[in-house]
Formats: sequence, C-alpha cells, structure tokens
Amino acid sequence: EPEVTQTPSHQVTQMGQEVILRCVPISNHLYFYWYRQILGQKVEFLVSFYNNEISEKSEIFDDQFSVERPDGSNFTLKIRSTKLEDSAMYFCASSGSGTTEAFFGQGTRLTVV
Amino acid sequence: AQTVTQSQPEMSVQEAETVTLSCTYDTSESDYYLFWYKQPPSRQMILVIRQEAYKQQNATENRFSVNFQKAAKSFSLKISDSQLGDAAMYFCAYRSLARGGADGLTFGKGTHLIIQP
Repeated sequence: EPEVTQTPSHQVTQMGQEVILRCVPISNHLYFYWYRQILGQKVEFLVSFYNNEISEKSEIFDDQFSVERPDGSNFTLKIRSTKLEDSAMYFCASSGSGTTEAFFGQGTRLTVV
Repeated sequence: AQTVTQSQPEMSVQEAETVTLSCTYDTSESDYYLFWYKQPPSRQMILVIRQEAYKQQNATENRFSVNFQKAAKSFSLKISDSQLGDAAMYFCAYRSLARGGADGLTFGKGTHLIIQP
C-alpha cells in the first residue's frame, strides 16, 4: 500500500541552526501539506502546496519557514533559524485531490536545544 | 475561520463495549468534509473515517461509525466492540472545500481513549 514517508524520524538541532525536513508523498498525489504538533497539543496546519506553489499558509508559517519540491518526488520543509518553540512533531501529508482525505507520514520529531 | 471542538479530553471504556466520542464544529460553509483520525503512541496519524457534508447517510467502517448532524454541526464517532488496539488519541478534523481543498485540515484538541481490559 502506498504511503507517505518522512526522514529523519528524529532530529536534534542547535537553536539558530537551519533544518530541512524531508517527505516523499504518495506518487500520484497532487496536494502536499505540512502540519505541526507541539507535544500534548493539537495538530496545526502550516502550509499546503499544489502545482509547484504554496496554496495556503497559516499564521505559524512565517518567513522562517519555506517549502520546496526540488524534484518529482520529494517535498521539503526548511526552517531557517530554529527556535526552542519550534520543537514539535512535524507531519507531512498528501492527497490525490483537494476533495479527498489526506494521508499522513509517520512524522519527524524535531528537538531544538 | 472554522473551529473544531472536542469536549472530552479523555474517555475510558471496557474492552468489547461501545464508546462515543463527541465533536462539534463551527462553519458558515455548506460543503465540506469531516474526518476522524487516530493517533496511537507511535504518533502517526491514521485515518479512521470520513464524511462528506452533502451526504445524509452516516459513514461506517467496520466497527467505526459516525453520527453526523449537519444542522447541529455535530460529528460524533462510535466505536463498537472496543479493542485494546483502539487505545489512542482521536482527533476530529474539518476540511473546507471553499477553495478546492487547498485549505488544510482544522483539528480539534483530541480525545484520549483508554480501553480497560
């Protein structure tokens, strides 16, 4: 069964460092998303991506964040200068169209120290 | 903006019994999707069930069913014959279709479901 894969599963980074989280969406999907879940809290939408551009972004997705689809398979989230409060679980998701459910990856746990 | 409310932070049920998790939402839109996601301790988000707002019939998936009340903006999840593997956080989520689905999901805060053996 096709699945969304994310790497790494856990990343520890120093405050102020840049970090790139990687995702391989399901191959025939067209919409891609990043979500964030701070420990013990709800899942929050960050950004959606369609047709090689950002479709929608939340207030959380400020200038420190960027997304890219560098080739036909990968979808990345970059945080330019990490802060302690960026520590969270980051989920990538994809959907076949805008009207179907999103399938989530297993998440990347980001710890900023 | 849409909001999703799950008023039960935690629920407990005996194995093999039935449990209902509550979810209400607020929207001015008429066309949208609703979902229940399960998050076990591994923290992966697993889709449990989906409901299209235009459908009057409640969705069912094996032991999982929903009670969708569009006028009341209520979307509860019923789990029948609860199993130990059902223990997890359950999140209710809303998806707007106003812009062709470009919007991400709006999640509730979740309900922690405990299964008592």
